[in-house]
This record gives sequence, C-alpha cells and structure tokens, in this order.
Amino acid sequence: KQEVTQIPAALSVPEGENLVLNCSFTDSAIYNLQWFRQDPGKGLTSLLLIQSSQREQTSGRLNASLDKSSGRSTLYIAASQPGDSATYLCAVTSGTYKYIFGTGTRLKVLA
Amino acid sequence: KAGVTQTPRYLIKTRGQQVTLSCSPISGHRSVSWYQQTPGQGLQFLFEYFSETQRNKGNFPGRFSGRQFSNSRSEMNVSTLELGDSALYLCASSLEAVGTYNEQFFGPGTRLTVL
Repeated sequence: KQEVTQIPAALSVPEGENLVLNCSFTDSAIYNLQWFRQDPGKGLTSLLLIQSSQREQTSGRLNASLDKSSGRSTLYIAASQPGDSATYLCAVTSGTYKYIFGTGTRLKVLA
Repeated sequence: KAGVTQTPRYLIKTRGQQVTLSCSPISGHRSVSWYQQTPGQGLQFLFEYFSETQRNKGNFPGRFSGRQFSNSRSEMNVSTLELGDSALYLCASSLEAVGTYNEQFFGPGTRLTVL
C-alpha cells in the first residue's frame, strides 16, 4: 500500500532563505509525482510534475527532484518570499491509478 | 482557457440530508477526479471518472457516488449526510486518465458544513 510522508510538517524561515521540502513514498512503482501549493481554504495550484523517467524539473525559483529507487522527492525553493507562504503537498500516481497525497508541509516565510 | 470550476463554493446542510456538488473540467479534459480534504485525514481520493465511466474508487462508503456527463462535467452526490462529511471537496481534471503522464488541475473546492 502506497504511503506518502512529508517532512517537516511545518517550517518557518526568514525571507531570502533557500529551503528544501521533503516527500517520501513507500512504493517506487509510480507513474509520476506532482508538487502543489495550497493557500488557506483554497484549491491546489500545480507547481511541478515529474514523470517517473525524469530526475528533476525546474520552474522559476522552484526545482523538484525525484529519486524513485529511494522513494524520495525534494522541492527546493530559492530566495524565499512572504508570498511563498502556503501549504505544500506532494502527490504520487501509483499502479492503481490513484493519486496519493502526502501530509503536507506548512511553510511560513517571515518578512 | 478557463480553469476547473466547482459549484457551489459553500454549502450548509443538516444531518440526514443529501447534497450534490458539481464540477466543470478544463475544456478538452476527459478525466475528473474527486477528493475530500479534512484537517484530520488530509486529502483523500474519492473516485475518478473518465469518458463517463468510473475508473477508480477510493475507500469511501456507498453514500458517496458520482457521475460524469458526455460533456465531461461531473457531479458528486452524498446521501444521508453525517457530521464527519464536513470537509472541503476538491475536483481535479486532466487531459487523459490518471495513471498516464498527465498533470492534474484542481478547482477551488466546495466547502460543505454538516450541522
């Protein structure tokens, strides 16, 4: 059974810092992994999608890596800004064609 | 291109009632998935519809049901509401079925409160 864990659960950093969010999954047989951000009470905004054959994806200040063999993905945020404050979720698509979401990391960037 | 839309955005119901939520996917998308989000359980998959057929289902009781129309719009129904059904219900659409190389795009959600 696929389980997805995110560490840390919460993070508070000063503006300008580079930071790393972690996502671990137990079953390496995934099709892809997607990172989202969610603002309070809102829907999810897609940030990056990494196919199972890829090692990383980049978009602006965001870089996501995928290591299937170790069951890990990291989301790197460069030069963090207060507007980055949100909950970050990772989700994997497994062999049963379902999206399994992680527990989320609540990020607060202090001005 | 318009994003995923969900109606209504907010809903208040009482125990025992039933409710229908609606989701319109991005134009051209054929897959619609539904999720329930609660503070205690996080985001949980309910079901996915692709070309009007339920393709996959999560571990929810039969009170939760859905359907998809020929224009890919989808509805989700919850019968005999319980207090624990209070949640944010999110709908996501993708071009093809989940499990392929597809990105999911989410709507703003419907906040359901059961009193």
